[in-house]
Amino acid sequence: EPEVTQTPSHQVTQMGQEVILRCVPISNHLYFYWYRQILGQKVEFLVSFYNNEISEKSEIFDDQFSVERPDGSNFTLKIRSTKLEDSAMYFCASSRTGGAGGELFFGEGSRLTVL
Amino acid sequence: GESVGLHLPTLSVQEGDNSIINCAYSNSASDYFIWYKQESGKGPQFIIDIRSNMDKRQGQRVTVLLNKTVKHLSLQIAATQPGDSAVYFCAETIGTSYGKLTFGQGTILTVHP
Repeated sequence: EPEVTQTPSHQVTQMGQEVILRCVPISNHLYFYWYRQILGQKVEFLVSFYNNEISEKSEIFDDQFSVERPDGSNFTLKIRSTKLEDSAMYFCASSRTGGAGGELFFGEGSRLTVL
Repeated sequence: GESVGLHLPTLSVQEGDNSIINCAYSNSASDYFIWYKQESGKGPQFIIDIRSNMDKRQGQRVTVLLNKTVKHLSLQIAATQPGDSAVYFCAETIGTSYGKLTFGQGTILTVHP
């Protein structure tokens, strides 16, 4: 069964460092998303991406965050200068369509720990 | 602000029992709802969805009920199994932003053999 894969599974970084989280969405999907989940809290939407541009972003997704689809398979989330409060599990998701019924498939997440 | 929330944070049941997990939403403009299951160390996994023009939808061992009058969503799991133990989230979305999900807090379901 096709799945969304994410790397790394866990990354530890120092505050102020840049981090890139990588995702390989399901191959025939066209819509891509990043969500995050701070420990013990609910999953929060960060950004959606379609046709090589951001469709929507939340207030969390400030200038420190960026996304890119550098090639035909990868979808990356970059945090330019990490803060302690960026520590969370980051989930990538993809869907074939952008409408209702376009089921989002989530990856297993990348845990980011900022020290 | 508008939010999706859950009545009960934890639910413990015996194997074979039926489980009911509840969710309240406050945004009357929400028109699509989804239940996700999250096992430890994994990402959310789609269980079942329902659109606002429906009040009930059934899947395999799961049923979602939507009561728009009181803005309430529930997930019923029949003959609950130990493998159903997980955190269950409801999520809602609006209009054309179907990938922009607003998740609820989550309910921990524990199934005892």
